[in-house]
Amino acid sequence: DSGVTQTPKHLITATGQRVTLRCSPRSGDLSVYWYQQSLDQGLQFLIQYYNGEERAKGNILERFSAQQFPDLHSELNLSSLELGDSALYFCASSVDDAYTDTQYFGPGTRLTVL
Amino acid sequence: AQTVTQSQPEMSVQEAETVTLSCTYDTSESDYYLFWYKQPPSRQMILVIRQEAYKQQNATENRFSVNFQKAAKSFSLKISDSQLGDAAMYFCAYRSAVLGRDDKIIFGKGTRLHILP
Repeated sequence: DSGVTQTPKHLITATGQRVTLRCSPRSGDLSVYWYQQSLDQGLQFLIQYYNGEERAKGNILERFSAQQFPDLHSELNLSSLELGDSALYFCASSVDDAYTDTQYFGPGTRLTVL
Repeated sequence: AQTVTQSQPEMSVQEAETVTLSCTYDTSESDYYLFWYKQPPSRQMILVIRQEAYKQQNATENRFSVNFQKAAKSFSLKISDSQLGDAAMYFCAYRSAVLGRDDKIIFGKGTRLHILP
């Protein structure tokens, strides 16, 4: 158990809908990262938050957005869903200082868009 | 841009034997971290081992060890005494250690490891 929690575990929805994925980082970790894992694209970095502020953006679509709250949990919002958004979405966290670099992954949320 | 390449999509090894998974990467940076992550059928991403680029000594974690060749930009994972529980997808990953850079991890496409009883 990495200490990172993600809810829900599974999500099934229809095209055009909007969903919210939630992540709670390990205790003491200030950074949260979101990744998308799909069969054709592999593991892709989406976005990183550090202590409530957006720090880095990767291959995140404009239909997707995220935020990190004062208690450091994070939410990834996916809107106008398309079939191609079906994937496993991982959240990871790290302490994120100059000497600690390891990211610990949560169990993932499997999103199925029908 | 940095890239990570795993040239072996699948591998098989007999239980109790040793297997080596290959990984090469491309970067112009001198300071970075390398990782091997394991993804079993449960789909959880589990950190197996990490290596700091400035360290010449190869990292070791129990039955897992790496062969880090910085000049060749190679980072292979050796699993000794393979066990059935080692069956998983293994991802090689790179992260910059340059201050001010973003902290994303760049993953290879993965190698699926089968353990034969």
